Amino acid sequence: LAKTTQPISMDSYEGQEVNITCSHNNIATNDYITWYQQFPSQGPRFIIQGYKTKVTNEVASLFIPADRKSSTLSLPRVSLSDTAVYYCLLERGSTLGRLYFGRGTQLTVWP
Amino acid sequence: DTGVSQDPRHKITKRGQNVTFRCDPISEHNRLYWYRQTLGQGPEFLTYFQNEAQLEKSRLLSDRFSAERPKGSFSTLEIQRTEQGDSAMYLCASSWDRDAEKLFFGSGTQLSVL
Repeated sequence: LAKTTQPISMDSYEGQEVNITCSHNNIATNDYITWYQQFPSQGPRFIIQGYKTKVTNEVASLFIPADRKSSTLSLPRVSLSDTAVYYCLLERGSTLGRLYFGRGTQLTVWP
Repeated sequence: DTGVSQDPRHKITKRGQNVTFRCDPISEHNRLYWYRQTLGQGPEFLTYFQNEAQLEKSRLLSDRFSAERPKGSFSTLEIQRTEQGDSAMYLCASSWDRDAEKLFFGSGTQLSVL
């Protein structure tokens, strides 16, 4: 699977909107873009998945441009409890569940 | 539904000893995965079961590692002759065929090999 590139760390303040961008220049036609969140001493938690355009759920929004070579996870009005590592992954139908996580983005939210 | 359960949460062992971890997936999930995570890194895929069949093993899973899922429910991961390099968090995840891209992870077993 093609790998992704995302910032190692980001800082924000409570109440702000946070956008984490992920690059995946070699994304394949049948790859889906998936984001997971991980708190210390816990396993990752699925946040959102998309193929193109925009996907929104109760936690976040995912923006994917037409060329699909990047994607942006948007977290509205973050709180201290959103401090976590966020992973951007590509998931292919033929390899469902066999995920390549990379190092993720450590988001720290300050009061 | 209590989520994916892993036991024990922590394990300290001496080099050369054998250890076994248990994972109880979400009951209706037929897919089960093992991952390993070291400090500062993302989880790395180890192996995958569909029901009781082990369908894929990563090259990371050396001969000292063995995983089973005898009745398609819980799974065990055994490490024989542990080495210090085996120290890591071992994560179990499960998913359902009809929603296979959404993995549910347990809280992991933290292994420390002294």
